[in-house]
Amino acid sequence: GIQVEQSPPDLILQEGANSTLRCNFSDSVNNLQWFHQNPWGQLINLFYIPSGTKQNGRLSATTVATERYSLLYISSSQTTDSGVYFCAVSGGGADGLTFGKGTHLIIQP
Amino acid sequence: SAVISQKPSRDICQRGTSLTIQCQVDSQVTMMFWYRQQPGQSLTLIATANQGSEATYESGFVIDKFPISRPNLTFSTLTVSNMSPEDSSIYLCSVVGQGFYGYTFGSGTRLTVV
Repeated sequence: GIQVEQSPPDLILQEGANSTLRCNFSDSVNNLQWFHQNPWGQLINLFYIPSGTKQNGRLSATTVATERYSLLYISSSQTTDSGVYFCAVSGGGADGLTFGKGTHLIIQP
Repeated sequence: SAVISQKPSRDICQRGTSLTIQCQVDSQVTMMFWYRQQPGQSLTLIATANQGSEATYESGFVIDKFPISRPNLTFSTLTVSNMSPEDSSIYLCSVVGQGFYGYTFGSGTRLTVV
């Protein structure tokens, strides 16, 4: 199956800082999503981005499908950005998602 | 995107008992997916549930332990059977909505087995 690697595994930043999270995947995919899991366990879909670039407020994401990686950018971090960020992919429409191990982000005031 | 209602949100259960988790979607969907998230870990796919056919289980998960029902296109249940403390996890259901703009997840069921 498809392998998903995320880096860094942990990241501690001060409020206001910017960050870049990376997701590498081992095979071609037709779906790639970034999720944020908040401290209460809720999984929130940030981006559906199998290719190209998208932006939503302080967050943006880029996927370079030919090179099998995706990046999530967080600018002007806030304490509410804390939590775990997951990258997940699937190779076909009938497949479930394969998740990376996540990046645990802590934003300190 | 589809809206998913998952129940219960949390439960504490005795070992050896079973718990059934319900997932209700506000629109008809072909496939529903069940995931497990063990403490401090990532999400792992348990099975794919299609209406009118047997669920398809991933390696390491068996029907006797995690029976799944899919009676119609908006509803599914996952049962965690003969529970042990190792089954303590968050269980989540997921669907792909119309037009395929990605997968949507329910709010999860936080299960503790004592």
